[in-house]
Amino acid sequence: DAMVIQNPRYQVTQFGKPVTLSCSQTLNHNVMYWYQQKSSQAPKLLFHYYDKDFNNEADTPDNFQSRRPNTSFCFLDIRSPGLGDAAMYLCATSYPQSATDTQYFGPGTRLTVL
Amino acid sequence: RKEVEQDPGPFNVPEGATVAFNCTYSNSASQSFFWYRQDCRKEPKLLMSVYSSGNEDGRFTAQLNRASQYISLLIRDSKLSDSATYLCVVNGASGNTGKLIFGQGTTLQVKP
Repeated sequence: DAMVIQNPRYQVTQFGKPVTLSCSQTLNHNVMYWYQQKSSQAPKLLFHYYDKDFNNEADTPDNFQSRRPNTSFCFLDIRSPGLGDAAMYLCATSYPQSATDTQYFGPGTRLTVL
Repeated sequence: RKEVEQDPGPFNVPEGATVAFNCTYSNSASQSFFWYRQDCRKEPKLLMSVYSSGNEDGRFTAQLNRASQYISLLIRDSKLSDSATYLCVVNGASGNTGKLIFGQGTTLQVKP
């Protein structure tokens, strides 16, 4: 009954080798977010989609890209992963028109860069 | 100054204790407020929303003071299973509804 699904749960890549992380949702929420969370730090928003509108955070490196081919799916592409990109990547969804505007998180993908 | 500030702790308390976490936010235009719980190496999960009138869910009570831009979470009768990091979260802190700003979290360790 998972509502926000992330694949894979664990990803190992080599320095500089492109990697794609996947997120899907069954909630039909129109907003999807990608966060990066490093150890002992708060989740940091990278970007989000409001429907098809892409909103990049000002301090998100160009190395991070995203695609949202339809309502249900959203991808995070890391073009040339560096050692500093090792982190947990969290996908979240929300439906801002709702009263509580809550965000629902997926289980995350833990990325290791060798 | 961080937009959302929390004491990182850790708070080490015995089972059955009452513990309170505090959080301050910088933008008076912030619109909604939450406490999330995050277990080690897991995703954040919504614990409760926070309303001006205060709200209670079992052993958990959340309070919001808009005048002081202050949010609190009270946990009564702590259980071992309450051990986690508690994230204070503010929505719309930058005037952009839907963008969550997370505090760095407060770590709670409940000991037998």
